[in-house]
Amino acid sequence: EVQLVESGGGLVQPGGSLRLSCAASGLPFSRHWMTWVRQAPGKGLEWVANMNEDGSQKDYVDSVRGRFTISRDNAKNSLYLQMNSLRAEDTAVYYCARVHGSYRILDYWGQGTLVTVSS
Amino acid sequence: DIQMTQSPSSLSASVGDRVTITCRASQSISTYLNWYQQKLGRAPKLLISAASSLQSGVPSRFSGSGSGTDFTLSISSLQPEDFATYYCQQTYSTPHTFGQGTKLEI
Repeated sequence: EVQLVESGGGLVQPGGSLRLSCAASGLPFSRHWMTWVRQAPGKGLEWVANMNEDGSQKDYVDSVRGRFTISRDNAKNSLYLQMNSLRAEDTAVYYCARVHGSYRILDYWGQGTLVTVSS
Repeated sequence: DIQMTQSPSSLSASVGDRVTITCRASQSISTYLNWYQQKLGRAPKLLISAASSLQSGVPSRFSGSGSGTDFTLSISSLQPEDFATYYCQQTYSTPHTFGQGTKLEI
């Protein structure tokens, strides 16, 4: 059974940092692109970042570029999102998801972890 | 960035109705368009990929069509479990933007 389990969310003050983790099991983690998607309370989905199989390619939405860093450790079957200089508008549930195939579908998702940026 | 616009933003319907949701891209995305269903408090679930390819296990009452800039998701006969929010997403170029969502209500 495929499982993606996010952790690391919580309450942080504006300007602070947080590191999210996504632990994968039941899938060949090192053979897939992975992505982070977030959802602010009561709002829609927002694609945040993705990374290729070996970590050599990554991309970000403009609103987080320069503040967030996506990374992975294939030996640990884990994906990470380092979030610095956090703002109130970064408050959201953060999901990790597997990217599959040429149409880059998101076929497996974690349950999400809530990040709240507030003083 | 490619903007994705869904319409309507919300839709009221009844069990047994046929409904159609539209998604428009700000530029041509070929068929790099996927549809997701999200229920309250849950992660999104993939319904349709490549504009019209139904995912395994998804009921055949769901269908997708379109290419270029205009796409539709149709549900032929609404069931109680279909009341949820639906999102389109383009994966033609990064950032892989989502539409704003369509909330389907009873």
